[in-house]
Amino acid sequence: GAVVSQHPSWVICKSGTSVKIECRSLDFQATTMFWYRQFPKQSLMLMATSNEGSKATYEQGVEKDKFLINHASLTLSTLTVTSAHPEDSSFYICSARVWGQGASTDTQYFGPGTRLTVL
Amino acid sequence: AQSVTQPDIHITVSEGASLELRCNYSYGATPYLFWYVQSPGQGLQLLLKYFSGDTLVQGIKGFEAEFKRSQSSFNLRKPSVHWSDAAEYFCAVGPAHGGNNRKLIWGLGTSLAVNP
Repeated sequence: GAVVSQHPSWVICKSGTSVKIECRSLDFQATTMFWYRQFPKQSLMLMATSNEGSKATYEQGVEKDKFLINHASLTLSTLTVTSAHPEDSSFYICSARVWGQGASTDTQYFGPGTRLTVL
Repeated sequence: AQSVTQPDIHITVSEGASLELRCNYSYGATPYLFWYVQSPGQGLQLLLKYFSGDTLVQGIKGFEAEFKRSQSSFNLRKPSVHWSDAAEYFCAVGPAHGGNNRKLIWGLGTSLAVNP
């Protein structure tokens, strides 16, 4: 249980194009999903928190017009990198939050990540 | 300031040896602590978590961690390491109470190599 998928697993695009990354919770509903960015040999950097049916909350320094997040359903959140540039090349990871009766069940489950390379 | 420190960037152990990965945190509220493992080409997998109760928590793959409030630590241990344990290990802390979004603060990770 608690499986999160991401699609695509890797993508190469030309500078100036837009890329959409999907994050799906396969066997549970997630009211909250998180988007992270991970640079080589570094930790995860939280980009934004995505809540179903409302606007995403972006971390300081993350351009919301650059990284568009849509959480249209309880099982799907998308991250669109608009007008991508080489500096946007990175590993993007999503997670979906599971929580039920009591905070002890509150856990984030992660997707396998998407490797974006912008030429 | 809230932070998570993993003092060891890289650790190498021999297969069969014991392992301890250190994690120290600075957090203003009651913490909720996690250890995740990231294998090459795979997503982060939850090893274990501590919310309350017994300070020694058992996780998957034979891992355990001990929460020591007085030392602000949550060290990960395994008595006998297997070659398949080679991976990146991340410690994270979040709020135990309140907050719909419950953001996690992450350590920089410890890279574990296992010698045969």
